[in-house]
Amino acid sequence: DSGVTQTPKHLITATGQRVTLRCSPRSGDLSVYWYQQSLDQGLQFLIHYYNGEERAKGNILERFSAQQFPDLHSELNLSSLELGDSALYFCASSVLAYNEQFFGPGTRLTVL
Amino acid sequence: SQELEQSPQSLIVQEGKNLTINCTSSKTLYGLYWYKQKYGEGLIFLMMLQKGGEEKSHEKITAKLDEKKQQSSLHITASQPSHAGIYLCGAFTGGGADGLTFGKGTHLIIQP
Repeated sequence: DSGVTQTPKHLITATGQRVTLRCSPRSGDLSVYWYQQSLDQGLQFLIHYYNGEERAKGNILERFSAQQFPDLHSELNLSSLELGDSALYFCASSVLAYNEQFFGPGTRLTVL
Repeated sequence: SQELEQSPQSLIVQEGKNLTINCTSSKTLYGLYWYKQKYGEGLIFLMMLQKGGEEKSHEKITAKLDEKKQQSSLHITASQPSHAGIYLCGAFTGGGADGLTFGKGTHLIIQP
């Protein structure tokens, strides 16, 4: 158990819908990263938040957004969902940037 | 952008045998991370290597970083069924607070 929690574990929804994925980092970790893992693209970095502020963006679509709240938990919002958005979404946390990143169990999103 | 190439893509090894997985970067490495993943589950942090020539061991797994070759190797001694899974290397591209870039992974199967 990495200490990072993600909810929900599974999510099934339809195209065009909007969903919110939630992540609670390890106690004391200020950085939260979001990643998407799919069979064709592999594991890709989406976005990084540090202590409530956005620090870096990776291959994140404009339909996707995230935020980190004062209690340091983070949410990833996915809107206007398409079939291709079906994937495993992971969050990871670390004390600071460039430290070890510890991954949560992931949320499996299925868009029908 | 940085690319990480892992070899081999898959590996079937008899229990008790040694094996090596390689990860080669197309750019300068600013830190190299090794993770293990069971199919559909979260990533388990194994080791982080930051300096050229650095070598770390944990139980029967040893990882080395060759800065000149921009390459890291992961060596498992006397493999066990518990070593089966997908091994992923990840690295920072450097210069910012962005997330990790990952290789495609090496699927390791241990035959009894």
